[in-house]
Amino acid sequence: EVQLVESGGGVVRPGGSLRLSCEGSGFTFEDYAMNWVRQAPGKGLEWVSGINWHGSRAGYADSMKGRLTISRDNARNSLYLEMNSLRAEDTALYYCARDGGEQFGMDVWGQGTPVTVSS
Amino acid sequence: DIQMTQSPSSLSASVGDRVIITCRASQNIKTFLNWYQQKPGKAPNLLIHNAITLQSGVPSRFGGSGSGTVFTLTISSLQPEDFATYYCQQSYSKRTFGQGTKVEIK
Repeated sequence: EVQLVESGGGVVRPGGSLRLSCEGSGFTFEDYAMNWVRQAPGKGLEWVSGINWHGSRAGYADSMKGRLTISRDNARNSLYLEMNSLRAEDTALYYCARDGGEQFGMDVWGQGTPVTVSS
Repeated sequence: DIQMTQSPSSLSASVGDRVIITCRASQNIKTFLNWYQQKPGKAPNLLIHNAITLQSGVPSRFGGSGSGTVFTLTISSLQPEDFATYYCQQSYSKRTFGQGTKVEIK
């Protein structure tokens, strides 16, 4: 079964840091670009960051640029997101999603890991 | 970043109705446009990619059209399981989602 499983979410104080992880299984992880997408409570989807299959090229949403680092370890079938200087408005469910490329969309999603930024 | 604007933000419809959702991009994105369905408490599900191509397993009552800056998602005959929120997303430059369209029961 093709699957993505996120972990690493939790409660963090404003200004703090967190590292999210996403492990893929049931497919050749290194063949795909990957993304992080978040959804604040009661709000819509927001693309956060993406990385190409090799890990050599990354993109970030302007709203979070400078506070994020996306990376991957294909040997471990894993995707990561380091988040720094967290704010209350970063509170959201964070999904990882497999990206088939410009013409194919995000076709596999995890169940999400919740991040709460609160004092 | 490219901005994506959906309309309407919400709509009420009955089973059997034809529903059309529009998505506009802030610049030309060719056909690099995808549509997703999301139900409460669930992850999004890819419906259509590359503007017009139905994802495997998606019912044929869903259809997509458009290119450049204006795109539409059409549900030809709304079914009870289609009441959900729909998002467009561009994949031309980085990635951006529209704000969503909630389809509710009339």
